[in-house]
Amino acid sequence: QKEVEQNSGPLSVPEGAIASLNCTYSDRVSQSFFWYRQYSGKSPELIMSIYSNGDKEDGRFTAQLNKASQYVSLLIRDSQPSDSATYLCAVIDPGTYKYIFGTGTRLKVLA
Amino acid sequence: DGGITQSPKYLFRKEGQNVTLSCEQNLNHDAMYWYRQDPGQGLRLIYYSQIVNDFQKGDIAEGYSVSREKKESFPLTVTSAQKNPTAFYLCASSTQGTGEQFFGPGTRLTVL
Repeated sequence: QKEVEQNSGPLSVPEGAIASLNCTYSDRVSQSFFWYRQYSGKSPELIMSIYSNGDKEDGRFTAQLNKASQYVSLLIRDSQPSDSATYLCAVIDPGTYKYIFGTGTRLKVLA
Repeated sequence: DGGITQSPKYLFRKEGQNVTLSCEQNLNHDAMYWYRQDPGQGLRLIYYSQIVNDFQKGDIAEGYSVSREKKESFPLTVTSAQKNPTAFYLCASSTQGTGEQFFGPGTRLTVL
């Protein structure tokens, strides 16, 4: 059973701090990784995709991928109360092209 | 505007009824997906389709059916065989190139 694991949280950080969200995955051959943000009662919104080892930055968001450790993370700099949401990690199963989602980490940014 | 639309936004069903949830995309994506999300839970895959006239069962297909007659459309029918259909239903589509998957706004189904 291919899995994606995330700490469910809640992760609480003060406004202006860096929030660090982590995800591990079980399938070594996975090549495509995604972070989604989901506000309560809304659908998931894609915020980052990453395919190569290393860091990828987009505004206040940085995704980090380490394929050897089967680990992908999301850093949110200068966290704002509007960043309070559940963050879902997803990987593509290259054998079936199904997306494997983690259960999400709930982030609370305290004003 | 390019995107994925789902209708209706809210749907109420009586026990024993079949209902069909609509999903349409104008992103020219080949692949489309249906997920179910229960309160406080993660996403569970119901069905997916990588090409017109072909689809595969996901992890929780029992009690559901789909069709993919057009590239733009992937309707989901929740049948009376689905024992606990009350949930938030999400449709998504993805591009073959980057594999990025995008979601529609969802349909919230309640069984009365």
